[in-house]
This record gives sequence, C-alpha cells and structure tokens, in this order.
Amino acid sequence: NAGVTQTPKFQVLKTGQSMTLQCAQDMNHEYMSWYRQDPGMGLRLIHYSVGAGITDQGEVPNGYNVSRSTTEDFPLRLLSAAPSQTSVYFCASSTIQGRNSPLHFGNGTRLTVT
Amino acid sequence: AQSVTQLGSHVSVSEGALVLLRCNYSSSVPPYLFWYVQYPNQGLQLLLKYTTGATLVKGINGFEAEFKKSETSFHLTKPSAHMSDAAEYFCAVSDGGSYIPTFGRGTSLIVHP
Repeated sequence: NAGVTQTPKFQVLKTGQSMTLQCAQDMNHEYMSWYRQDPGMGLRLIHYSVGAGITDQGEVPNGYNVSRSTTEDFPLRLLSAAPSQTSVYFCASSTIQGRNSPLHFGNGTRLTVT
Repeated sequence: AQSVTQLGSHVSVSEGALVLLRCNYSSSVPPYLFWYVQYPNQGLQLLLKYTTGATLVKGINGFEAEFKKSETSFHLTKPSAHMSDAAEYFCAVSDGGSYIPTFGRGTSLIVHP
C-alpha cells in the first residue's frame, strides 16, 4: 500500500547544479501535482498534470520543468538550482472523477541549495 | 478566484482544552472544503472533507468541522486536545470549476501539558 512515493528524502545541491525529484503513485490517479512549502507561505503549486502527456503551470513554475510520460510518474526537474529553491517539495495526486476527491501527498523532499 | 483565510498562524492550547482552528473562504459557487493535517517531517493527510448537505462533518482523531454557508466558514474543532494533536493544519477549498484546491497558509497547533 505505497500511495505516493517521493525520492530522495533529502538533497543538498550547489548553485547551478541540476537534479530531478522523483514522484510515483500506485493509485491510478489522473491528477498529479508538485508543491513547495516554505515557512509562512503555506503550499504553493509549481506544476500539475491531468494525465499522461498533459502538464500545466501553477503559481510558481519558474525554474522548474515537468513531464508526464506515464500515469504513475511525475518527475520535477531543476535545471540550474538557485538558493531561492531551498524548500520542502511535496508531490500530490488525486482522481478527477469527483470534485471532492482529496489529494494524497508524499512525505516530501527537503532540498537545500548552497 | 477563490481564496482561503486561516486566522492565526499559531494557536496554543493546554492539553484537555477545546481546539478551534478558523477557516474562511471565498467562492462564488458551492465549494468543496477540506482540512488536512501535517505532522512533523511528514506529508499532509486528509483530516476531513465537506459533504454536500451536511453542516457538521466528522473526521479522524476526534476532529469535527462545521460548515456555515452564511459566514463562508469551515472551522475545525476538537473538544479536548491531546499532545499528539500538535501539528500544522491546512484548510483547502476547490469549486466546481476546478479540481485544483486553494490552500490556506496553515495554522500550527501547539499543545501544552
């Protein structure tokens, strides 16, 4: 009963480095999304997807890329990391079959950019 | 566009005292309302969700939320706080036109022994 799995749990990058945060879900959910959580800012939506091959921007997309080649996976790419991207990142998924379907969250990736 | 306001970034209560976390929303259509809880170093998990027609919604761990349409509120309560309730609580709302919820900024619940 895995749900939403995020890897890695922790990551330290130097400015300018690139990396991919992985997210996988085993619930056959159509909707997947990425949030960042910063103190006092709540959750801010980065990118989201409603199915394989379909992605769209959220509130804070700059500096991040996504793709959705399968229903299960939704990786988040940082092409050139900046200190402002130090944050905790959460992946979340849900079905879109009902408007009151809740989001299922992973346990997060804590990223530090030095 | 909808918005969610959670009054108080921090709420402090004594163990055994009433917990009240406030959430007000703005939505032009009947909303879908949720409360999530985040324990330290974990992701968010669903506490409860509003069901159309109900005014009082029961969730896990003894929490309840009351939907008041006239006040556009969905406040979360628990009669008696436990130390294990210490966590971050988020209110979220989506309307019929989108399945992308808008989150409040969260309220940190502190429980004193």
